[in-house]
Amino acid sequence: GAVVSQHPSWVICKSGTSVKIECRSLDFQATTMFWYRQFPKQSLMLMATSNEGSKATYEQGVEKDKFLINHASLTLSTLTVTSAHPEDSSFYICSAQDRLLDQPQHFGDGTRLSIL
Amino acid sequence: KQEVTQIPAALSVPEGENLVLNCSFTDSAIYNLQWFRQDPGKGLTSLLLIQSSQREQTSGRLNASLDKSSGRSTLYIAASQPGDSATYLCAVDTDKLIFGTGTRLQVFP
Repeated sequence: GAVVSQHPSWVICKSGTSVKIECRSLDFQATTMFWYRQFPKQSLMLMATSNEGSKATYEQGVEKDKFLINHASLTLSTLTVTSAHPEDSSFYICSAQDRLLDQPQHFGDGTRLSIL
Repeated sequence: KQEVTQIPAALSVPEGENLVLNCSFTDSAIYNLQWFRQDPGKGLTSLLLIQSSQREQTSGRLNASLDKSSGRSTLYIAASQPGDSATYLCAVDTDKLIFGTGTRLQVFP
């Protein structure tokens, strides 16, 4: 089956630092990748959609300069939380999809981000 | 704007019971509907995907139905087990996934 690897699974860092999260599709080409955010006991909220080689499309209310997304290849997308602050602490989940084959989204295991 | 709601928000039952989880959505223009399972602190596990043209899908003890015209889906879990304890999320695909609020299920021995 399609596997999506997300790294790191857990990160703690000081306020003001930038944190990069990687999302890789291991056995398929991901034409599109999605980044979600989930607060405790809440559902997943889509942050942005990225197509390989194109700029990401951000959902309303998501700061594109705060959450930098790069999707430079068909197997890798990164989310960088710049100058992170405690309110950025959350659970971030990526998903990958091969839209050319009309496949469903496959999800990573998520990254727990804690900003002190 | 598409909104997805799940009822109940939480459910606690003894093992062996048959369960019904409900999902409703406000806009019937969807490509498909999916049910996911999420364990605490973990990512999502896809359980069932129902295309907009389908009425139901089955996998083992799980059965999901879809009534697109009324904006409803149900997930039926037969003979529940403690290992079924998790949060269950439904999501509608409108070119992007819109997730429901989730049902936290606890099955006790």
